[in-house]
Amino acid sequence: SQQGEEDPQALSIQEGENATMNCSYKTSINNLQWYRQNSGRGLVHLILIRSNEREKHSGRLRVTLDTSKKSSSLLITASRAADTASYFCATSGSRLTFGEGTQLTVNP
Amino acid sequence: DAGVIQSPRHEVTEMGQEVTLRCKPISGHDYLFWYRQTMMRGLELLIYFNNNVPIDDSGMPEDRFSAKMPNASFSTLKIQPSEPRDSAVYFCASSFGGGVGDSPLHFGNGTRLTVT
Repeated sequence: SQQGEEDPQALSIQEGENATMNCSYKTSINNLQWYRQNSGRGLVHLILIRSNEREKHSGRLRVTLDTSKKSSSLLITASRAADTASYFCATSGSRLTFGEGTQLTVNP
Repeated sequence: DAGVIQSPRHEVTEMGQEVTLRCKPISGHDYLFWYRQTMMRGLELLIYFNNNVPIDDSGMPEDRFSAKMPNASFSTLKIQPSEPRDSAVYFCASSFGGGVGDSPLHFGNGTRLTVT
């Protein structure tokens, strides 16, 4: 069964707006990763945040991790049409398990 | 680096036929993963290797599926005989160092398998 669950399943915003996606998981983790998948392509790694970290930044991406709530969020600031993709969280225990993803559409 | 290379990109076959999917990981990577993606079940880990040795194959659906990694630069996933429910996109991914999930995975662009 999938460990991570993303919320919302789909998100549609205008270019320039911020997009926030959430991930919840059930059991203890070593780290949590976020990936992006463009249509017809493989997943691309975005950020890895370890269980002892609370926040991490990479360019326009900001990831938070709250281990007490077993949740993480991915914030994309100043979104662009090119950010349109599916976004997945993946949790690491004995294996790397992916959630079902959030489909983000950024309208120009 | 060319990244993870998978072949073929698309495969259409008839039920009962043997299907072989191929993967070339990134040079130097010591972990190799096979995932399957469907609308119904999302991304499922089928099997992973460390230093060419299969470590966890608990995700392999049944005996019709087998995977090998004869050397550090090549892996195959074989389905024999194939069934329509095997239709999916199969991804290969590789990573370097740490344990499972401690390093970013690098994915190929997948093989879209259709079994009629």
